[in-house]
Amino acid sequence: GAVVSQHPSWVICKSGTSVKIECRSLDFQATTMFWYRQFPKQSLMLMATSNEGSKATYEQGVEKDKFLINHASLTLSTLTVTSAHPEDSSFYICSARGGLAKNIQYFGAGTRLSVL
Amino acid sequence: SQELEQSPQSLIVQEGKNLTINCTSSKTLYGLYWYKQKYGEGLIFLMMLQKGGEEKSHEKITAKLDEKKQQSSLHITASQPSHAGIYLCGGNGSGNTGKLIFGQGTTLQVKP
Repeated sequence: GAVVSQHPSWVICKSGTSVKIECRSLDFQATTMFWYRQFPKQSLMLMATSNEGSKATYEQGVEKDKFLINHASLTLSTLTVTSAHPEDSSFYICSARGGLAKNIQYFGAGTRLSVL
Repeated sequence: SQELEQSPQSLIVQEGKNLTINCTSSKTLYGLYWYKQKYGEGLIFLMMLQKGGEEKSHEKITAKLDEKKQQSSLHITASQPSHAGIYLCGGNGSGNTGKLIFGQGTTLQVKP
């Protein structure tokens, strides 16, 4: 199966700082990448969809100025949580689709963000 | 808006037993996906179903999609401790946008 790498796996930061999370497709070109948020013992909530070279499409209720998404190449998308606050603490997971199995989303291992 | 309902929410079975997890959509699905997640980790793709009545199997796991494309089941035969985890169904109900709505997950424990 296709491999999606997400980095870092865990980050702790102070309130007010910004955090960048990277999502890379290692062995295929990802035409579309997705960013999800997952609260403890809950399901995944789609935050935004990003296509290479264009602006991300955010789901209703997700602040685009708070969660900056950049999909600069066919193998890399980044999510930056700006001016993070404790309520932004969560598990963030990216997924990517593309290549031969274009209808399947392959997921990264997730990033646990803790904002102090 | 579309919703996916999974049942049961949690399941504890004895090793060697069979089990079934269900996923029901409020709307007809373009595609239905099954994933497995270990707590605090990413999702592992299991199977994708797109046609009404479709059935797929991989090792001891079989997934089915009903004719109306609103209901899916995941069946595990002769469960093993390695099957333990959270099973999530994800549905694509809006053509080929790729956007998935996920059910709330089913937590499976397999007792040795």
